[in-house]
Amino acid sequence: DAMVIQNPRYQVTQFGKPVTLSCSQTLNHNVMYWYQQKSSQAPKLLFHYYDKDFNNEADTPDNFQSRRPNTSFCFLDIRSPGLGDAAMYLCATSRHTGPTSPYNEQFFGPGTRLTVL
Amino acid sequence: TQLLEQSPQFLSIQEGENLTVYCNSSSVFSSLQWYRQEPGEGPVLLVTVVTGGEVKKLKRLTFQFGDARKDSSLHITAAQPGDTGLYLCADRLADSNYQLIWGAGTKLIIKP
Repeated sequence: DAMVIQNPRYQVTQFGKPVTLSCSQTLNHNVMYWYQQKSSQAPKLLFHYYDKDFNNEADTPDNFQSRRPNTSFCFLDIRSPGLGDAAMYLCATSRHTGPTSPYNEQFFGPGTRLTVL
Repeated sequence: TQLLEQSPQFLSIQEGENLTVYCNSSSVFSSLQWYRQEPGEGPVLLVTVVTGGEVKKLKRLTFQFGDARKDSSLHITAAQPGDTGLYLCADRLADSNYQLIWGAGTKLIIKP
């Protein structure tokens, strides 16, 4: 089945210790997103890729970086995690079908829950 | 800047009861999506509504889109514990072809 996979599902790291979260997709979608979600709140967009073009949200801290080496894979790097970075990190994909298409469904992975000690 | 407001923020009811949750926008929706996020999982799309006055049904879930396309409701009939989750509404961001703007969600708990 086509899907979005995130690894690991749970990640524990120490304060200040770099961590990388991974996402892969078999949907062949051209857009990939990274969201941060805290405790039953709306997902907050960190950045997204349209093909290889990287788009950073204005309020995403510099501590967060991302790489997309190919269509299928995307990584989220947190260079120096702080206690406030503990959250669920969601990867999502969508297929951009054109400027007039009303449908922009996003397909989410199960998320990685990050704990910072 | 468009704002999506969802209400109530939290709802806890007994199995078998009916409920309605709402999503209102400060401006006309482009194409409204409803997602459900079960605990510990990512959101999953339930439905997309585009046309004012549109009604869509998904088993016990009924989605209504206001005539003016600024409000939407989700009605669940005979709620079951499996309906527990965070219900999120989202709309396409005004200056983007594919980004979404999200409501804060309604956290729904169905007690057995």
